[in-house]
Amino acid sequence: DAGITQSPRHKVTETGTPVTLRCHQTENHRYMYWYRQDPGHGLRLIHYSYGVKDTDKGEVSDGYSVSRSKTEDFLLTLESATSSQTSVYFCAIRTFNLDTEAFFGQGTRLTVV
Amino acid sequence: EDQVTQSPEALRLQEGESSSLNCSYTVSGLRGLFWYRQDPGKGPEFLFTLYSAGEEKEKERLKATLTKKESFLHITAPKPEDSATYLCAASTSGSRLTFGEGTQLTVNP
Repeated sequence: DAGITQSPRHKVTETGTPVTLRCHQTENHRYMYWYRQDPGHGLRLIHYSYGVKDTDKGEVSDGYSVSRSKTEDFLLTLESATSSQTSVYFCAIRTFNLDTEAFFGQGTRLTVV
Repeated sequence: EDQVTQSPEALRLQEGESSSLNCSYTVSGLRGLFWYRQDPGKGPEFLFTLYSAGEEKEKERLKATLTKKESFLHITAPKPEDSATYLCAASTSGSRLTFGEGTQLTVNP
């Protein structure tokens, strides 16, 4: 457990509405990531951040935006939710101590109806 | 384009029956090969990071090895509680992690 909290854990929303998912960490790690996990696709990178206000796109970034105004919080926003964004979303942090490790949160299950 | 492929997709073992899972990768500039365990409804749980060919790491009944093109997760005398999906990921430039689709392991008592 690397002190990662995702909220909400479950959400049902309607097509066309904006949705924001939050990832909070307690250990001041620089690198944070948002992934989505879908059957048949595995974990795919949406966006990641390498510092406050420093973010970059992953392989499936269309329809998503992120913000990181504080080290501890990384927000993922679906500007206008679509049914194809129904998925389980995971936040992760990367540590660079004696060993390089990456730890995941418990996930947010999002359903767009 | 970076690619990570895991095989088999699913593996069913009897308790005590040792086996190996494969993770092959095609990436430019590997900076680490990660292994995870994922239980249903939970986030991936970190197991190992390997950095260079020839490296090995162990944790209980699990041992991970790395070559220049693939990694293996060896499971020795598995128990039912080892049942899970095992994921591997390659870290390349920009600190991204590219994941394979996983191997679903079932260990029957």
